Amino acid sequence: GQQVMQIPQYQHVQEGEDFTTYCNSSTTLSNIQWYKQRPGGHPVFLIQLVKSGEVKKQKRLTFQFGEAKKNSSLHITATQTTDVGTYFCAGPYNNNDMRFGAGTRLTVKP
Amino acid sequence: DSGVTQTPKHLITATGQRVTLRCSPRSGDLSVYWYQQSLDQGLQFLIQYYNGEERAKGNILERFSAQQFPDLHSELNLSSLELGDSALYFCASSVAGAISNEQFFGPGTRLTVL
Repeated sequence: GQQVMQIPQYQHVQEGEDFTTYCNSSTTLSNIQWYKQRPGGHPVFLIQLVKSGEVKKQKRLTFQFGEAKKNSSLHITATQTTDVGTYFCAGPYNNNDMRFGAGTRLTVKP
Repeated sequence: DSGVTQTPKHLITATGQRVTLRCSPRSGDLSVYWYQQSLDQGLQFLIQYYNGEERAKGNILERFSAQQFPDLHSELNLSSLELGDSALYFCASSVAGAISNEQFFGPGTRLTVL
């Protein structure tokens, strides 16, 4: 079936280091969304990418949508302890099913 | 605070039982989505309602059902509960009907089936 694969599953970094999570879809997506879930919290929408090759920035976060609209990445520059949480990508399939990646759990050592 | 409310916060019940989870969307949002989050399955989309009508269906079991009422709040009914149904159940809402709209998640209901 259609899947959204996300790697890595876990990432442990030292504060100040960079972090990247990757998302791959088995099929072309009309758009991709990224969410962040803090420990014990609920997913919070970060951004949506729609265009092929699109790059969007939010302060230290850079989001990219691949040219084929089948992959995406989230890069955090100079991580801070407030970046701790699980980052999910999600994409709509057949306009009636939202598929989430398994998430990348980020921990940051001060 | 996303503006989406869910009750109850925690629910403990036994196998074979039936429970109802409730969700109130953000003011003005017409769509409600239900998700199940478990450790081994991640975040699974169950179902979406838009303005009272079912709009999209994901991996929802036949033992589960949902509805959206005229005041736009929604309920997720889980019946013949099994141990594997233990999970966090999130409700989310969005303004419009497209499943790819930005979704605002509630705090979740943690269901434990013993």
